[in-house]
Amino acid sequence: LAKTTQPISMDSYEGQEVNITCSHNNIATNDYITWYQQFPSQGPRFIIQGYKTKVTNEVASLFIPADRKSSTLSLPRVSLSDTAVYYCLVGVRNNNDMRFGAGTRLTVKP
Amino acid sequence: DAGVTQSPTHLIKTRGQQVTLRCSPKSGHDTVSWYQQALGQGPQFIFQYYEEEERQRGNFPDRFSGHQFPNYSSELNVNALLLGDSALYLCASSWGANTGELFFGEGSRLTVL
Repeated sequence: LAKTTQPISMDSYEGQEVNITCSHNNIATNDYITWYQQFPSQGPRFIIQGYKTKVTNEVASLFIPADRKSSTLSLPRVSLSDTAVYYCLVGVRNNNDMRFGAGTRLTVKP
Repeated sequence: DAGVTQSPTHLIKTRGQQVTLRCSPKSGHDTVSWYQQALGQGPQFIFQYYEEEERQRGNFPDRFSGHQFPNYSSELNVNALLLGDSALYLCASSWGANTGELFFGEGSRLTVL
């Protein structure tokens, strides 16, 4: 399983765009990149998944460069309610054995 | 459509006791995975059940065991509890040949005294 590295914490202000980068140098050919969000005392919630280039949904965008050794989760115009821990996971798409790292604790300030 | 439900939500045990946690997957899902999340840490994969069999296992001792029933619900059993077993236990469900998206329950918070 590919190991991921993320910043431990990030601060932002309401209305700003937040970019969280994840490094996964030993990503395998069949691996997908998935991001989850977790609020205190709740289970993680799926945000977005991608394999290459760019993926966008109603919540976020995921940018993956051609070498796929890193990825960036982009949250547009964050609000206080986006304060949470964000996890980057790398693994085979049809394999449910998702391994979580320590995540990035995002704090959005007013 | 009910999501993933877990029970109990909170429980307190003493060292050496045994505990059983329960999980009902999201409707239409047939795969259940269990995670342990200590305070301030990311979830750690315990094991995964599919077709009533343990398919994959993380780095957890044999004190941690599980079961999946024909209706896809699952149980996590922990024997000989240690203080270090205190954590939030999360159940996640998905469909076998899925997109990789896991649906998590709210968790069962276990405190071992």
